[in-house]
Amino acid sequence: AQTVTQSQPEMSVQEAETVTLSCTYDTSESDYYLFWYKQPPSRQMILVIRQEAYKQQNATENRFSVNFQKAAKSFSLKISDSQLGDAAMYFCAYRSLKPQGAQKLVFGQGTRLTINP
Amino acid sequence: EAGVAQSPRYKIIEKRQSVAFWCNPISGHATLYWYQQILGQGPKLLIQFQNNGVVDDSQLPKDRFSAERLKGVDSTLKIQPAKLEDSAVYLCASSLRRQGRASPLHFGNGTRLTVT
Repeated sequence: AQTVTQSQPEMSVQEAETVTLSCTYDTSESDYYLFWYKQPPSRQMILVIRQEAYKQQNATENRFSVNFQKAAKSFSLKISDSQLGDAAMYFCAYRSLKPQGAQKLVFGQGTRLTINP
Repeated sequence: EAGVAQSPRYKIIEKRQSVAFWCNPISGHATLYWYQQILGQGPKLLIQFQNNGVVDDSQLPKDRFSAERLKGVDSTLKIQPAKLEDSAVYLCASSLRRQGRASPLHFGNGTRLTVT
């Protein structure tokens, strides 16, 4: 079974600075998806960015980018120019591509990000 | 497009009572998921439906939890009887069914359950 580990329960950063959230995962599969989700106090999980394992190029979405190291099974999220609205819980998630309907998301424990004004 | 709708938003019950949660997925989404998120943890999949059939319920405590998705649209998750450890946020999500590459999950705002 796949597992996802986020070793930083909490992180804080000054507004406008850059912060990196860490994530490692364990799998025996060669093709899969990785995601970062943001969960504000409203509780809704919001997709921030996703990476397909077969793509070598790191995904980027505006101020959000990832560092995907497939051999090391590492998937970190970098937030540039941090804004107050970025404060939330961030979850790393793994998704298998098995065709037997097992395309569930497996989440890490989360990292609480605080933005200091 | 309208998002995933869940109700109620909050629910407080005593242990051994019953409770039900409702989810209406995004129109056209064949796959529906129920996740349990205990405070301080990441969400854990309870059950996954493909249309009205169960695809994965390996982590659903079947002695007390049940779920159904009639007509392949709305879904209900029930707990009977509730235990203190069932206190959590219950998230519903839906996605399109696509051959090949996975389609993203869309989440609702969840139901926060407190069992006293």
